[in-house]
Amino acid sequence: AQSVTQLDSQVPVFEEAPVELRCNYSSSVSVYLFWYVQYPNQGLQLLLKYLSGSTLVKGINGFEAEFNKSQTSFHLRKPSVHISDTAEYFCAVLPYLTGRRALTFGSGTRLQVQP
Amino acid sequence: EAQVTQNPRYLITVTGKKLTVTCSQNMNHEYMSWYRQDPGLGLRQIYYSMNVEVTDKGDVPEGYKVSRKEKRNFPLILESPSPNQTSLYFCASSPPGLAGGSRGYEQYFGPGTRLTVT
Repeated sequence: AQSVTQLDSQVPVFEEAPVELRCNYSSSVSVYLFWYVQYPNQGLQLLLKYLSGSTLVKGINGFEAEFNKSQTSFHLRKPSVHISDTAEYFCAVLPYLTGRRALTFGSGTRLQVQP
Repeated sequence: EAQVTQNPRYLITVTGKKLTVTCSQNMNHEYMSWYRQDPGLGLRQIYYSMNVEVTDKGDVPEGYKVSRKEKRNFPLILESPSPNQTSLYFCASSPPGLAGGSRGYEQYFGPGTRLTVT
């Protein structure tokens, strides 16, 4: 079984400041890792994913994340946030080689960018 | 435009009144899935379908049914809704895991259906 912990339920930050949203996971098997963003009243949009290779992955809208296998973490970062980044962010894992392809999500982190 | 659509987007109903939430995708994906989203719990998988006529339970299937008669459609059926099924529901689809290359494990989500059962 897998579990995902997003350590902060809310992160307030001022515009143009850097931000880090933390994600830790637990799994008995190897997993793929994802970050999704949910804007108000919208569905989930994929920000970035880690499947293999370089542990630093870049996504859309200037976000990046680093996979740390020893710490089982996949923290999301952005060097300078905008008001438009205000949204809820979900970390998720997917076990290798599973037909079920059930994503296990964290409980979400609400990013609130203030002017 | 490649997309997953859901209808209705909002629904208020009463306990016990059967309802169906439709989901359709235009990307020719074989895999489709339903999730529910509840505050503080993230998203949890209800049912999934590997292909037409192949469906199976996810983590929280109780009280739900699905059918997959066509590749593009994957309706979610609540035969006798109860208040604990009040939630935000998302349909998702995905290209084949290996044949789809690096995109094979991406899931594309619909806009969501907010259901309230009174």
